[in-house]
Amino acid sequence: DTEVTQTPKHLVMGMTNKKSLKCEQHMGHRAMYWYKQKAKKPPELMFVYSYEKLSINESVPSRFSPECPNSSLLNLHLHALQPEDSALYLCASSQEGNRDRADGYTFGSGTRLTVV
Amino acid sequence: DQQVKQNSPSLSVQEGRISILNCDYTNSMFDYFLWYKKYPAEGPTFLISISSIKDKNEDGRFTVFLNKSAKHLSLHIVPSQPGDSAVYFCAFGNSGNTPLVFGKGTRLSVIA
Repeated sequence: DTEVTQTPKHLVMGMTNKKSLKCEQHMGHRAMYWYKQKAKKPPELMFVYSYEKLSINESVPSRFSPECPNSSLLNLHLHALQPEDSALYLCASSQEGNRDRADGYTFGSGTRLTVV
Repeated sequence: DQQVKQNSPSLSVQEGRISILNCDYTNSMFDYFLWYKKYPAEGPTFLISISSIKDKNEDGRFTVFLNKSAKHLSLHIVPSQPGDSAVYFCAFGNSGNTPLVFGKGTRLSVIA
């Protein structure tokens, strides 16, 4: 299994809703990432988990709350989002501590989030 | 501090011709270099990479060139095909396991 699976593919939520994005990989990767991508922009790093511990938080607002229940799963809990948070949310994974990073990250297909 | 510059937002190329995509970087700590391809509504897909000990890596129609002295990375696609039409991101990393840094992307259109 060489894929990163993200669910749901599309999500529309109101500003008072609570929802979660899910990401799963079974490649044995120990680093997992959340990225946010707006149209015509590069992926913007949000969070990095390394060995199931949060290692990087790129000053993301607290309305985004990541969780890593185990080495294969990564969640992003959403609460009280704003319309400007509408974007493509990408999950990625990579080998951790492996200096032969020839293949970089494996990305999921993303969740297209619309906040209304 | 913009570590990576991918200055061409778009590129149009005739089918069968060569496509050349470019990135410049400033951080001399980068030691591996990648290209990703992204179709609309999909996540980026790894395409090809090169480490700092090489100056060229070839995989089929795709060749990546690294000029360390000029801090310049390029991707050549030849012959270009309509299915190559996508957004291409360069990405840079280092052995310290810090997250990859992405360029802004170049939208390639291959015209039949």
